[in-house]
Amino acid sequence: GQQLNQSPQSMFIQEGEDVSMNCTSSSIFNTWLWYKQDPGEGPVLLIALYKAGELTSNGRLTAQFGITRKDSFLNISASIPSDVGIYFCAGTKNTGNQFYFGTGTSLTVIP
Amino acid sequence: DAGVIQSPRHEVTEMGQEVTLRCKPISGHDYLFWYRQTMMRGLELLIYFNNNVPIDDSGMPEDRFSAKMPNASFSTLKIQPSEPRDSAVYFCASSLRLGQGTTGAFFGQGTRLTVV
Repeated sequence: GQQLNQSPQSMFIQEGEDVSMNCTSSSIFNTWLWYKQDPGEGPVLLIALYKAGELTSNGRLTAQFGITRKDSFLNISASIPSDVGIYFCAGTKNTGNQFYFGTGTSLTVIP
Repeated sequence: DAGVIQSPRHEVTEMGQEVTLRCKPISGHDYLFWYRQTMMRGLELLIYFNNNVPIDDSGMPEDRFSAKMPNASFSTLKIQPSEPRDSAVYFCASSLRLGQGTTGAFFGQGTRLTVV
């Protein structure tokens, strides 16, 4: 299936720093989702976005549905050690036949 | 609800053996997905069901893989015969609906399969 491109592939940051990552596609999506996967666990949904331009927050996390509907962004403010993990974007299209997942961004927070 | 439940959490088997992975979706969810995760290929959709009916199995690697959903609360993914390249983490996920307004897929904890 189609893969969404995420960048960066990995990040190493100091505790307290802000984090930005993005997800791009060549196709238009009507829903964008952001997941976090802790080691040894399944991905857990963080934020869901439904409209172009929508900005949604969940605690220190903020995600945006890109205006072109071909991209989405996730920001984490004031990172803490428990933010460590792999962040995946996912989306659905109008045909609604499956969830397309990104390649993932691995985040390491250095205390 | 306890969430999506998968068993076993870990499976080590010898090449050529049959392996069966099990999944209980969240009650009321109409969609069930099987994914495979590896470092090289990331998260790959293998097959998904809607109301117990297989909708898209184009991601199933080959005939050695089969999946069933005999009822709304149970699904299996079977590999027979297993090969070392099947080693991966297999996730089951369920969703209330797809498309516009979806609340996303909810994942189980996965089954880590090692074929030696």
